[in-house]
Parts: sequence; C-alpha cells; structure tokens
Amino acid sequence: KQEVTQIPAALSVPEGENLVLNCSFTDSAIYNLQWFRQDPGKGLTSLLLIQSSQREQTSGRLNASLDKSSGRSTLYIAASQPGDSATYLCAVSGGAGNNRKLIWGLGTSLAVNP
Amino acid sequence: DTGVSQDPRHKITKRGQNVTFRCDPISEHNRLYWYRQTLGQGPEFLTYFQNEAQLEKSRLLSDRFSAERPKGSFSTLEIQRTEQGDSAMYLCASSLANSGRAYNEQFFGPGTRLTVL
Repeated sequence: KQEVTQIPAALSVPEGENLVLNCSFTDSAIYNLQWFRQDPGKGLTSLLLIQSSQREQTSGRLNASLDKSSGRSTLYIAASQPGDSATYLCAVSGGAGNNRKLIWGLGTSLAVNP
Repeated sequence: DTGVSQDPRHKITKRGQNVTFRCDPISEHNRLYWYRQTLGQGPEFLTYFQNEAQLEKSRLLSDRFSAERPKGSFSTLEIQRTEQGDSAMYLCASSLANSGRAYNEQFFGPGTRLTVL
C-alpha cells in the first residue's frame, strides 16, 4: 500500500531564504508526482507535475526533483517571499489500475516571515 | 473561467439531513475525481469517473454516499443521513487522459466545506 510522508511538518523562515521541502513514498511504481499549494480554507493549486520518467521540473522560483528508485522528491523554493506562506502537499499517482488516483502526504506548513 | 467549479462553496446542515454537491470539470476533461479532506490531513480519495462510468469507489464511501456523472460532464456527490463525522472539505478534480497525453495532471476546484451540526 502506497504511503506518502512529508518532512518537515512545519517550517518558518525569514524572507529571502532558499528552502527545501521533502516528500517520500514507499512504492516506487508511481505514474507521476504532483506538488500542490493550499492556502488556509481553500482548494488546491497544482504547482508542478513530474512524470515518472522525468528527474525534475521547474516553474519560476520552484524546482521539483524526483528520484523514483529511492522514493523521494524535493521541492526547492528560491528566494522565499511572504506570499509563499501556505501548506505544500505532495501527491503520487499510483500504478495499480488506470484510475491514477492521488495518494497524499500530510503537507508542510510554510511560514515566510517579512 | 475555465477551471473546475464546485457548488456550493459552504454547506451547513443538521445531522440526518441529505446534502448534494456539484462539480463542473474543465470542459474537455474525461476523468473526474472526488476527494475528502479533514482539518490537518491530506486529501483522501473517494471515487473516480472516466466519462460517465464510475470505475472505483473507496472503502471510505459508505452506503450513505453516492456519486453520479450522468452525461460524462458535471458530477454530483450526495450524502444521505449526514453524520457529524462527515464534516470535511469535499474536493473535486478533473484531468485529461487519452492516448496522446498521458500526464493526467489533476486540477482541483475550490472545494465544498460541509459542516454537520
């Protein structure tokens, strides 16, 4: 059974720092991995999707890497800003069957202090 | 707006009442998912449609829950005889999966927050 873990659970940094959020998964037979952002009480915004055959994806100040064999992904945020404050969720799309449902971690709550 | 929409955004109901939520996916998307999220937790998969066919239901979905996607476009999720434990954010997502595009990136709506008193 696929399990997804995110470390740390919470992170507080001063504005301008570069930071890394970690995601690990137990079954390497994934189809893809997505990173999402969630603001309090709101829905989910897709940030980056990495196919299982890919190593990394970049969007602006965000870079996500994937090491499928070791079951790990990292989300790197460069030059953090107070507007980056949110919960970041990692989700993997499983390989069993074709439904591609997402299995989620509990998220990392990020606070960027001005 | 061409994103996923959900209605209502908030629903407060009394225990024992029935509620129905609606999800309108991105128009060309053939896959639709329902997830549930409780406070401080990640979302949990509930059910999945490909076009109008419901292909998987989670064991989380008791007999009180039913979902439909009658014409392969919008979907409804109904909860009968609501319980306080049903209080959660109900999230809908859609994706496009065909032979030419295999990414299946899921796009989420704003969610419906259900409070059962």
